[in-house]
Amino acid sequence: DTAVSQTPKYLVTQMGNDKSIKCEQNLGHDTMYWYKQDSKKFLKIMFSYNNKELIINETVPNRFSPKSPDKAHLNLHINSLELGDSAVYFCASSQEGPYGYTFGSGTRLTVV
Amino acid sequence: TQLLEQSPQFLSIQEGENLTVYCNSSSVFSSLQWYRQEPGEGPVLLVTVVTGGEVKKLKRLTFQFGDARKDSSLHITAAQPGDTGLYLCAFRSGTYKYIFGTGTRLKVLA
Repeated sequence: DTAVSQTPKYLVTQMGNDKSIKCEQNLGHDTMYWYKQDSKKFLKIMFSYNNKELIINETVPNRFSPKSPDKAHLNLHINSLELGDSAVYFCASSQEGPYGYTFGSGTRLTVV
Repeated sequence: TQLLEQSPQFLSIQEGENLTVYCNSSSVFSSLQWYRQEPGEGPVLLVTVVTGGEVKKLKRLTFQFGDARKDSSLHITAAQPGDTGLYLCAFRSGTYKYIFGTGTRLKVLA
């Protein structure tokens, strides 16, 4: 059983399109995240949700809209995709305390 | 903006060699973690260190947290090709957020 699963694994789309990435965790964690990893492998936090409530929004363009229907799911919708949005997007979850993250295997988004 | 610098950025070594990767900052951390990421996968947590001066071992990997809790090192003994990957340190910044380091890409040649 995959602990944090995200779909799709790969996404190739044209500029201006709208796309969504889905994430689900079966660990019972209260907090879920979206991170973006750029071409230099730098991981930067985008959003964090705790029990369906948005608690971190790291100055991400408002074309990016996360949604958490319940604490096991966190989806990411991106409007009007731009070339600079090309990256690998990781979903992660954690429990309270210094226990670190469990990451999904990533979604490689390529905007052409 | 808090920043975690890792060095070296890239490392290519022969199987059986030893190596050390460093993670440094000017800030004091309450805890620090190390992750390994393999191509096409998400980072996987290796260890969490909490106490200044703490040393933890995971088979051939030894992790140390600096006495002042501003830096950490990861030492690998007798590296193997399976150790190849991107090593990331991360510190906890607030209850719900971790800041990641700049990463060290390790390649171990057979």
